[in-house]
Amino acid sequence: QSVLTQPPSVSGAPGQRVTISCTGRSSNIGAGYGVHWYQQLPGTAPKLLIYANNNRPSGVPDRLSGSKSGTSASLAITGLQAEDEGDYYCQSYDTSLSAWVFGGGTKLTVL
Amino acid sequence: EVQLVESGGGLVQPGGSLRLSCAAFGATFRTYSMNWVRQAPGKGLEWLSFIGGNVRNTYYADSVKGRFTISRDDGKNSLYLQMNSLRAEDTAVYYCATVNSYYMSVWGKGTTVTVSS
Repeated sequence: QSVLTQPPSVSGAPGQRVTISCTGRSSNIGAGYGVHWYQQLPGTAPKLLIYANNNRPSGVPDRLSGSKSGTSASLAITGLQAEDEGDYYCQSYDTSLSAWVFGGGTKLTVL
Repeated sequence: EVQLVESGGGLVQPGGSLRLSCAAFGATFRTYSMNWVRQAPGKGLEWLSFIGGNVRNTYYADSVKGRFTISRDDGKNSLYLQMNSLRAEDTAVYYCATVNSYYMSVWGKGTTVTVSS
């Protein structure tokens, strides 16, 4: 049981927009800690996509964006491409657990 | 940008020990705070342990507290994870990652640990 809750899967056709939600609680996202997103393509290590809610590292395209409100956050991907297919994880910090916490991951399928 | 390479994984019997290493290249390692994260087969990511850069504080997940020890040798640009009393449920790919203000910027490719008799 992950501390942060994500849908197990989402899907969309090429060119469409998809969103992935991440729900936490008052001890993590709701406490003001940032939400960060990672992409894990099949057989590879995780890669940072979005940090501190809505910031993209250099090299990450602007069709990916993040937002946060209250105890939840979301990742949006527009102009879906076949190479976006993979697993996406949200992450924050939990002050009650004194731990870095992840969502269970969401598998994105491009139809 | 720093690059990270993990090593030391392998097959170990339940109750055994293993020491993982994470070598850093291309940057001033001593300034980085570091995390170990693992991923069991077919499962999600699990944070294990943190060690500070300039301030050498350490933290552990409850699942490994008392069994795993994180350490670093800045002279060798290396991070370590000493794993004792290993269990079948410790079977996973183990990643090291740099930590920047509670997020993990750079990840290694991982090293695989299998605990089985």
